[in-house]
Amino acid sequence: NAGVTQTPKFRILKIGQSMTLQCAQDMNHNYMYWYRQDPGMGLKLIYYSVGAGITDKGEVPNGYNVSRSTTEDFPLRLELAAPSQTSVYFCASSAGLAGLSLFFGPGTRLTVL
Amino acid sequence: DAKTTQPPSMDCAEGRAANLPCNHSTISGNEYVYWYRQIHSQGPQYIIHGLKNNETNEMASLIITEDRKSSTLILPHATLRDTAVYYCIVRVARETSGSRLTFGEGTQLTVNP
Repeated sequence: NAGVTQTPKFRILKIGQSMTLQCAQDMNHNYMYWYRQDPGMGLKLIYYSVGAGITDKGEVPNGYNVSRSTTEDFPLRLELAAPSQTSVYFCASSAGLAGLSLFFGPGTRLTVL
Repeated sequence: DAKTTQPPSMDCAEGRAANLPCNHSTISGNEYVYWYRQIHSQGPQYIIHGLKNNETNEMASLIITEDRKSSTLILPHATLRDTAVYYCIVRVARETSGSRLTFGEGTQLTVNP
């Protein structure tokens, strides 16, 4: 199993540009999450999904959108990028009730200039 | 969710046991204690979790006090690769509980040669 994969690993955006961060998992997990981590800080939840077709906001959803058309994929869309969105983005998945043992991807380091 | 308190940093000599404390004095009876760690620039990694009893796996041991108000993560023989930020998280394991899995500031463990 590849686990949780994320692409790209690095990206530089200009203010106002848009992009999609890709996340995929091959563990057949129902639950998927997007977190962001600012330098020296803990992780903050952006969006999460409890299954295909179901998404909900986390702590810091403004400026982001998600979709979950399949169990495997959970892309994060940034519209009109702002410098405040400069961060490292982590995607995670879990089997749900059986565990809050989340499996994290390697992260995407995004810089908005 | 119960709030957790961890020391911001700790040092440990290589080969010795690392004991990382966590206070969670407001923990409820149905809340689990989870430990994750994050090695620099990588996604967080699940270590162990427990409810009441002490737990052990291939990575670590978790000791929970009888009143459940505090716990200790033990890395029995710390190596340089154990240098990381360790997060103690208290959370109810219900269906959507992972949606608000909150990572605080954690403890920076530095293992010295």
